[in-house]
Amino acid sequence: QVQLKESGPGLVQPSETLSLTCTVSGFSLTSYSVSWVRQPSGKGPEWMGRMWYDGDTAYNSALKSRLSISRDTSKNQVFLKMNSLQTDDTGTYYCTRALPGYNFDYWGQGVMVTVSS
Amino acid sequence: DIQMTQSPASLSASLEEIVTITCQASQNIGNWLAWYQQKPGKSPQLLIYGTTSLADGVPSRFSGSRSGTQYSLKISRLQVEDIGIYYCQQASSTPPTFGGGTKLELK
Repeated sequence: QVQLKESGPGLVQPSETLSLTCTVSGFSLTSYSVSWVRQPSGKGPEWMGRMWYDGDTAYNSALKSRLSISRDTSKNQVFLKMNSLQTDDTGTYYCTRALPGYNFDYWGQGVMVTVSS
Repeated sequence: DIQMTQSPASLSASLEEIVTITCQASQNIGNWLAWYQQKPGKSPQLLIYGTTSLADGVPSRFSGSRSGTQYSLKISRLQVEDIGIYYCQQASSTPPTFGGGTKLELK
């Protein structure tokens, strides 16, 4: 069955870089795109960016200067790197599979990231 | 970016009651509208996409509709397992954007 699982540090120091990994199973990264979505506590989700099935990427312009998404298809993994973290980057980070367009049909369990010294 | 405005922010309803949540798009998004349900401590779950299409496994008591740039999610007979937060999301253009959410509670 389709599964996505995020992994990475739960605590990041201000100004440092966040690195997260999304490991997928049950589908191919060359057939489906994967997006990263984050959600501050008590707020609505925010789309961060996307790795297309063909290897292309798209980013939210609000984060583009700090964000990089890449993949390793041999390991079924998609990576997120975001630099210059601040306290308002605190929240739960999800990776999601997208149907054609931007309909997110499967989500990982999420990883809680706290930015604090 | 397209703004999605949900109402109400919170809603209290009784079992078997009809519940309607609305979402207003700041510009034309056609039928590129999805609804998600999120339960406490869980990931959002896709309920409806393309304004009216039910995702796999979603009960038929859920339905979606559109009038211009206003979209609605209707639960025909509220059940205990429907309690949670509901989000709309436009899938028309980059970046996809979500509404602020509607918290649905039992009365």
